[in-house]
Amino acid sequence: DGGITQSPKYLFRKEGQNVTLSCEQNLNHDAMYWYRQDPGQGLRLIYYSQIVNDFQKGDIAEGYSVSREKKESFPLTVTSAQKNPTAFYLCASSIVANTEAFFGQGTRLTVV
Amino acid sequence: QQQVKQSPQSLIVQKGGISIINCAYENTAFDYFPWYQQFPGKGPALLIAIRPDVSEKKEGRFTISFNKSAKQFSLHIMDSQPGDSATYFCAASIYSGAGSYQLTFGKGTKLSVIP
Repeated sequence: DGGITQSPKYLFRKEGQNVTLSCEQNLNHDAMYWYRQDPGQGLRLIYYSQIVNDFQKGDIAEGYSVSREKKESFPLTVTSAQKNPTAFYLCASSIVANTEAFFGQGTRLTVV
Repeated sequence: QQQVKQSPQSLIVQKGGISIINCAYENTAFDYFPWYQQFPGKGPALLIAIRPDVSEKKEGRFTISFNKSAKQFSLHIMDSQPGDSATYFCAASIYSGAGSYQLTFGKGTKLSVIP
């Protein structure tokens, strides 16, 4: 089945540690996105990538980093510089020049 | 600023009733307006979408009404069912260059359909 796989579903991190969230897609989509979801805040764009080895900051990129070494993979690292990292993180993908975005099932990150 | 304002924040509707969620935007460069449905613990899924050259689009029990002059669009769910209970997000898309589009989301409406 084609789709977007995010792992893990739940993640706990100690303060001061970096953590990497995985996102893999087998839809052959060129564009991939990371969103952060907080209660009552909607979805806010962290980073996006249109092609391999290229990515751009979204609205709330501070404290996050990404890489796009392969078309199907777009991992997100939440660094210790992110002041409030506890949130639900969503990865999405789309065909470039197509407005429909497909979402993964999300990773809930909790800082303890 | 590229904002999409969504209301209400929460909505309770009786089974069989009509659920109405409203969104407004400022940037006239937005050219695609999707609605997403999200169940707890899951990622959002595209429900229905409209482009500004159309005033209404219907798919089953779901209808988008679009008012370009007022810069508003709304989702109507007819004959609402308990299974429709979810959070609904409106969004607006804008071309961000190099063949790519960016979605700006509203803050969501939590819909509860009671029997």
